[in-house]
Amino acid sequence: SQQGEEDPQALSIQEGENATMNCSYKTSINNLQWYRQNSGRGLVHLILIRSNEREKHSGRLRVTLDTSKKSSSLLITASRAADTASYFCATDASQFGNQFYFGTGTSLTVIP
Amino acid sequence: GAGVSQSPSNKVTEKGKDVELRCDPISGHTALYWYRQRLGQGLEFLIYFQGNSAPDKSGLPSDRFSAERTGESVSTLTIQRTQQEDSAVYLCASSQWRGGNQPQHFGDGTRLSIL
Repeated sequence: SQQGEEDPQALSIQEGENATMNCSYKTSINNLQWYRQNSGRGLVHLILIRSNEREKHSGRLRVTLDTSKKSSSLLITASRAADTASYFCATDASQFGNQFYFGTGTSLTVIP
Repeated sequence: GAGVSQSPSNKVTEKGKDVELRCDPISGHTALYWYRQRLGQGLEFLIYFQGNSAPDKSGLPSDRFSAERTGESVSTLTIQRTQQEDSAVYLCASSQWRGGNQPQHFGDGTRLSIL
């Protein structure tokens, strides 16, 4: 399966600390996206990184991609209580069709 | 509307009944996806529509599941003869066009509970 796997499954940190989540996948990809899901809501797109990019920043978010290891990481700096949510990576391997493959998610809790 | 709208937000029904879930995508978005999310799990792809092309139904788990979309407008997901294992949140997403470089915009889902 192409499905991504996030690690850790759950993460609890103090407000102000940095949070790092990892995503691994199995086959070659064109793009990798990260999404956030607040409890009871739909997913919200955070950032996209292309297969030819190694690092990307957006505000307090930093995403890295290592295609040789088939892995990506999402770093949230100076975390806030409002960052409490589940975070998912989604990979696109268009040679397999139209599907996006979402990982199982990391549940992040930021303690005020 | 400004975002993807799904209805109903919650649905409780008895085993064996049929249910119909609705998704209103963002206006102008040609691509529409349906996903299933079981409690505490990731998203499971169900079906994909792109404009007037034939849909990609490869994720539908059984012939009890079907979906329709007219052009680039509303989509409905129908589950016939519901089973308890169908209990999940059903999420709809749309994107401007097909492609992995397009962010998907999600609705808040329909929480389906089968008694």
